[in-house]
Amino acid sequence: SQQGEEDPQALSIQEGENATMNCSYKTSINNLQWYRQNSGRGLVHLILIRSNEREKHSGRLRVTLDTSKKSSSLLITASRAADTASYFCATVNTGGFKTIFGAGTRLFVKA
Amino acid sequence: GAGVSQSPSNKVTEKGKDVELRCDPISGHTALYWYRQSLGQGLEFLIYFQGNSAPDKSGLPSDRFSAERTGGSVSTLTIQRTQQEDSAVYLCASSWTGQGTNYGYTFGSGTRLTVV
Repeated sequence: SQQGEEDPQALSIQEGENATMNCSYKTSINNLQWYRQNSGRGLVHLILIRSNEREKHSGRLRVTLDTSKKSSSLLITASRAADTASYFCATVNTGGFKTIFGAGTRLFVKA
Repeated sequence: GAGVSQSPSNKVTEKGKDVELRCDPISGHTALYWYRQSLGQGLEFLIYFQGNSAPDKSGLPSDRFSAERTGGSVSTLTIQRTQQEDSAVYLCASSWTGQGTNYGYTFGSGTRLTVV
């Protein structure tokens, strides 16, 4: 069964606004990763946060992790039309190899 | 090559036929993963390889599905006696697994399988 659960399932915002997506998971993790998928094909790795980290930044991306609540959030600031895509969180188990993806959040940024 | 290569990119097959999907990972990536994604859905884990061995096959949906990896490189996913519910995009990913964990995948572009 899927471990990561994203919400919302879909999000529509105006260009320039911030987009926040959330992910919850069920068991202990080694790290949590966020991916972007365009056009239903290969996913692109965006950012990784380890279980002992609480916040991480990469360009316009900010990821937080709360292991006590088993949740993470991805914030995209100053969104652009090109950010339109599906975003998935993926949890890597404490054994370190198995990675489980959530169902994704479909983000639509209107120009 | 520079990325993960999957072939074919599209495959249409008749119900009951066998199909083979190929994945060529990034050179030096010890771990290789197969996922399946149905239209508008998330990724369903199928199997992963560490080198040539498959420590976790728990995601294979039935005994019609099998996979192998040779030489620590190319992997093939075989689906026997295909059914219409096998229609999906099959995604392969590889990763470096230093220090005993996965630090991020590189995905191929996938094979879109349609069973008619």
